[in-house]
Amino acid sequence: NAGVTQTPKFRILKIGQSMTLQCTQDMNHNYMYWYRQDPGMGLKLIYYSVGAGITDKGEVPNGYNVSRSTTEDFPLRLELAAPSQTSVYFCASSIDGRSYGYTFGSGTRLTVV
Amino acid sequence: DQQVKQNSPSLSVQEGRISILNCDYTNSMFDYFLWYKKYPAEGPTFLISISSIKDKNEDGRFTVFLNKSAKHLSLHIVPSQPGDSAVYFCAASHTYSGAGSYQLTFGKGTKLSVIP
Repeated sequence: NAGVTQTPKFRILKIGQSMTLQCTQDMNHNYMYWYRQDPGMGLKLIYYSVGAGITDKGEVPNGYNVSRSTTEDFPLRLELAAPSQTSVYFCASSIDGRSYGYTFGSGTRLTVV
Repeated sequence: DQQVKQNSPSLSVQEGRISILNCDYTNSMFDYFLWYKKYPAEGPTFLISISSIKDKNEDGRFTVFLNKSAKHLSLHIVPSQPGDSAVYFCAASHTYSGAGSYQLTFGKGTKLSVIP
């Protein structure tokens, strides 16, 4: 029962570098989401996907890109990292986003210096 | 513009007593509400939910109450246990958000400490 797996758990990036945060789920969920959580704040939606090949922007998409080539994987790409992207990133999936809520991964703590 | 508000950053309760966590929302389109629990260095875990057609939902020690007219919901934990110590997030969604994606809008969270 892996659920939602995120890698890496921690990462330090220099300003201007790029990286991909990996997210994979083994529950055959169609819906997948990327959220970020800044200190003392709630989770804010970056991007979401309602199925393979379909993605859309959330509340805070600037500086990020996503792709969804398979049901299982939903990687988040950071291009030209900036200090404002220092945050904890959570990937989540859901079967319907309603009755059963989301299943979250354990998060990636990213620091941009 | 914060659509889901948790105005108490923290709450301390004695073991065995009731914990009441509160949440207010401003978007009248929200029709589904959820509570998540989060331990340090872990992702949030789904706890309990309620549809806007109900005013109460129970699951063991956890009960969520919804007052639509006041745009207010609360989570009651009875009896509180030390293992309940965590950050609790209130979240809300509406059917027509983002092409049926059921995006969740989260509050900032309330840190609950249950004192033995």
